[in-house]
Amino acid sequence: AQSVTQLGSHVSVSEGALVLLRCNYSSSVPPYLFWYVQYPNQGLQLLLKYTSAATLVKGINGFEAEFKKSETSFHLTKPSAHMSDAAEYFCAVRDQAGTALIFGKGTTLSVSS
Amino acid sequence: NAGVTQTPKFQVLKTGQSMTLQCAQDMNHNSMYWYRQDPGMGLRLIYYSASEGTTDKGEVPNGYNVSRLNKREFSLRLESAAPSQTSVYFCASSPGQGIYGYTFGSGTRLTVV
Repeated sequence: AQSVTQLGSHVSVSEGALVLLRCNYSSSVPPYLFWYVQYPNQGLQLLLKYTSAATLVKGINGFEAEFKKSETSFHLTKPSAHMSDAAEYFCAVRDQAGTALIFGKGTTLSVSS
Repeated sequence: NAGVTQTPKFQVLKTGQSMTLQCAQDMNHNSMYWYRQDPGMGLRLIYYSASEGTTDKGEVPNGYNVSRLNKREFSLRLESAAPSQTSVYFCASSPGQGIYGYTFGSGTRLTVV
């Protein structure tokens, strides 16, 4: 069965530092993978998605993620953190039936000045 | 430019009361979903509707029912609310088949006392 594991429920960085949020997946079929961001008291917004095209995926707000099949990973990165990046981030994989997304438990990103 | 609209935004219920959460999308999407979000648990799928006229159970369907009223609307009903159903509920829609990602509503924060 498909599953997603996000390593680290809370990540803290300084403004201007590299952001790295980790996601590992388990999938019995070629995966479709997604990163979402949730700002306080809001719904989730799609950051980027991997759908078997290029392994390096660029998203909104300067984020990108690299699909590594050998490591079953889809880590999210941003070269330089901004205060406005503080939010909760969710990794998701399409389920085996292809009907819905399975979400990880989320990683809260804090950015300090 | 509304996207996915959920009502109400906040609700307090007494144990045993019933209510219906409403969701409507204006993007002509085929698929619609209901998730609940609890701290440290990520998002868990309650029910989904792959297309108009169909509904299926997700990971945590107990205590809930759904109706796909038409292509635009997908409602979630709690027949006899329990404190364990205190959560934030999100409706989402997708063109279909889970490869496009979702558009989320802004959520309904439900408290059952």
